[in-house]
Amino acid sequence: GQNIDQPTEMTATEGAIVQINCTYQTSGFNGLFWYQQHAGEAPTFLSYNVLDGLEEKGRFSSFLSRSKGYSYLLLKELQMKDSASYLCAAMDSNYQLIWGAGTKLIIKP
Amino acid sequence: DTAVSQTPKYLVTQMGNDKSIKCEQNLGHDTMYWYKQDSKKFLKIMFSYNNKELIINETVPNRFSPKSPDKAHLNLHINSLELGDSAVYFCASSPLDREAGELFFGEGSRLTVL
Repeated sequence: GQNIDQPTEMTATEGAIVQINCTYQTSGFNGLFWYQQHAGEAPTFLSYNVLDGLEEKGRFSSFLSRSKGYSYLLLKELQMKDSASYLCAAMDSNYQLIWGAGTKLIIKP
Repeated sequence: DTAVSQTPKYLVTQMGNDKSIKCEQNLGHDTMYWYKQDSKKFLKIMFSYNNKELIINETVPNRFSPKSPDKAHLNLHINSLELGDSAVYFCASSPLDREAGELFFGEGSRLTVL
């Protein structure tokens, strides 16, 4: 079956760095997406990886290893506003998104 | 100028009632979706419409029926509401029917069935 695994919750300190991991199993693969969702709000697109390696976008970076079925989202210089859930989603061979349950990131001062 | 807007944002109703949620996008996108997010925060796709044709219909009860009067609108009608229907329903759109992973979500409609 198709499955996405990511930790349920993580805690980090303001100004620090945190890495949120995601492993996926899908029927075919057409890319890995990360979304941010603040409490009570809609998810918003953060990043897309389809080739192996690291994609950097400001304080956020996303990494993909297709051979390992693994991705991570790296957040640097954490700010209080980064407290949110981070959703990992993999696109299968039918171009359908398979979603993880999200990782709730708690930032402490 | 909200890109994807849905109404109402909050809906409280009794079991057995029928209700609708409306969605509109002004992005000119080809595909629109309805997602359900339950208390465990899983996002589950319910429907996808491309140019007014249903292209995905997951195992959703037939009490749920999507209606798309045109490319910019996708409404969700729910008959005979049940307690388990309580959730947040998100409308979303994307520019292509394929390779459409970058979704633009509406703000969500929180449905509570009593």
